[in-house]
Amino acid sequence: DAGVIQSPRHEVTEMGQEVTLRCKPISGHDYLFWYRQTMMRGLELLIYFNNNVPIDDSGMPEDRFSAKMPNASFSTLKIQPSEPRDSAVYFCASYGTSAPPAQYFGPGTRLTVL
Amino acid sequence: LAKTTQPISMDSYEGQEVNITCSHNNIATNDYITWYQQFPSQGPRFIIQGYKTKVTNEVASLFIPADRKSSTLSLPRVSLSDTAVYYCLVGTGGGADGLTFGKGTHLIIQP
Repeated sequence: DAGVIQSPRHEVTEMGQEVTLRCKPISGHDYLFWYRQTMMRGLELLIYFNNNVPIDDSGMPEDRFSAKMPNASFSTLKIQPSEPRDSAVYFCASYGTSAPPAQYFGPGTRLTVL
Repeated sequence: LAKTTQPISMDSYEGQEVNITCSHNNIATNDYITWYQQFPSQGPRFIIQGYKTKVTNEVASLFIPADRKSSTLSLPRVSLSDTAVYYCLVGTGGGADGLTFGKGTHLIIQP
């Protein structure tokens, strides 16, 4: 398996623009997680899905952020409108029932909002 | 979720054994202890998980005393490539829960 795939790897945009981050989880994994990492706040959970259904979105910073999982092999995290404080590395992770009981993280998307 | 405390940074040399201790005084009965490793520009990677006593895999060992209020990650004979941030997490153990990462321990291995 190719692991968790994220695109794009790098995104530079201007304040006010819409940004869409994409994730393909490991096949067969039924949990998908979105995290954000910054120097100041470290790694934070934003939202996670089970069987394509959002379970906990309490970490989503505000209404400008939205996430969807239309099917088991694809998820998006959208920021509209983007702001400079959204600059961070966004990670997607997936989990299945196979051992070890670990989440597998993608390579991340480095977002820079100017 | 149980709060964890671990050193902000550690230094060691190639070939040495490195032990990173994590405190988790309010660990719950159902909680497991899990360690992740993160290299620069990469996502975290699972290293090891345990509930009590000792667990060993091909990468590391995890020592957990009887009271489970702390745990120690042991990396045998480290190399430069072990330079990374190591996170100690405490929770119900399944990857089905959102993970709460602390600051982690920045381990620097020198030649």
